[in-house]
Amino acid sequence: ILNVEQSPQSLHVQEGDSTNFTCSFPSSNFYALHWYRWETAKSPEALFVMTLNGDEKKKGRISATLNTKEGYSYLYIKGSQPEDSATYLCGISSGSARQLTFGSGTQLTVLP
Amino acid sequence: EPEVTQTPSHQVTQMGQEVILRCVPISNHLYFYWYRQILGQKVEFLVSFYNNEISEKSEIFDDQFSVERPDGSNFTLKIRSTKLEDSAMYFCASSIADTDTQYFGPGTRLTVL
Repeated sequence: ILNVEQSPQSLHVQEGDSTNFTCSFPSSNFYALHWYRWETAKSPEALFVMTLNGDEKKKGRISATLNTKEGYSYLYIKGSQPEDSATYLCGISSGSARQLTFGSGTQLTVLP
Repeated sequence: EPEVTQTPSHQVTQMGQEVILRCVPISNHLYFYWYRQILGQKVEFLVSFYNNEISEKSEIFDDQFSVERPDGSNFTLKIRSTKLEDSAMYFCASSIADTDTQYFGPGTRLTVL
């Protein structure tokens, strides 16, 4: 069973602060790592798909890195805004259908 | 921008009843998935579907569950005889390739009484 861990479970930051959180996964049987941003009552929004060790991806103020050898990815948010408040989900794709195994998510609250 | 849609948004049913959850994936996508999240737990994979057949399924996806793509647009999940423990949010996802981003719908909240 693939075990994906995310930390911290929740995080409160002030507007303007930069923040980061972690996704850990077993480095064997890895195909790709997916980050999603998920607001309550909405569809999870795809942020990044990363496959290669050392990958770095950026979308506006959000960026992510991937280390497949040690089995972790970091998601960074620069200058957090209240609209960044959401749960950030990490999923690892594996198996013949590349189905996703998710972590529990990090719930971010940005205080104005 | 194209999106995955799901209906209904909330379904309440009695234990033992059959339910069908519906999804309209993004039109040019070829790979389809169902996931669910029981309250307080992780989102977990149920089944994947490609080329009109199940390509992979989890232990959760037992004989009570079935999936179908009855026409070119809909993708359905049927639970034949619902149990209390089937209460969860059910998410449909689709992707253009199994290596690509999976786009999720907003989910159907299933409540079994």
